Amino acid sequence: QKEVEQNSGPLSVPEGAIASLNCTYSDRGSQSFFWYRQYSGKSPELIMSIYSNGDKEDGRFTAQLNKASQYVSLLIRDSQPSDSATYLCAVIHTSGTYKYIFGTGTRLKVLA
Amino acid sequence: DGGITQSPKYLFRKEGQNVTLSCEQNLNHDAMYWYRQDPGQGLRLIYYSQIVNDFQKGDIAEGYSVSREKKESFPLTVTSAQKNPTAFYLCATSEGETEAFFGQGTRLTVV
Repeated sequence: QKEVEQNSGPLSVPEGAIASLNCTYSDRGSQSFFWYRQYSGKSPELIMSIYSNGDKEDGRFTAQLNKASQYVSLLIRDSQPSDSATYLCAVIHTSGTYKYIFGTGTRLKVLA
Repeated sequence: DGGITQSPKYLFRKEGQNVTLSCEQNLNHDAMYWYRQDPGQGLRLIYYSQIVNDFQKGDIAEGYSVSREKKESFPLTVTSAQKNPTAFYLCATSEGETEAFFGQGTRLTVV
């Protein structure tokens, strides 16, 4: 089982729709979760961080965390073509020294 | 101007040659990381360091080496033992359990 799993996509949504991106993780002790956006050939940039169960909203983005199910998601409302990118889920593993583990990323295409 | 600087941006390696990728930070972060990214893939952890003079292997450390002699520097050497080194290499830093900050990356190509 991979430590952080994401569907690689591509996930295609029409402009203005809601895009839903999902991530599961294996380390039950993890406390910190992040969503990054990466454009082709560029470095990842932070979209959202979430540390507690429930929802966290920031503009058009909502992160959802369910620690019991070891599941974290990202919703993008009113999707724009500029949102087309790869979205990476990251988890800090806390067994021993803590380290950042990334999923393989989900490629999102927003169709104009 | 705080941040993470990776150099060079592009690097070409001949077969059998060792090359070193530089990563410098002035964010005063304790933790530093090296990741490898292949086309269409996620980030795979090569090495990480939580404090000076200490570092741990990640998932794909074979063929790579690192040092952490100073808090602000974490160079990565790609040795000749790494048989398929062509990839995009990313350095990152973090403090505690907060977000990771990334450099601009180094694209390494074997010629």
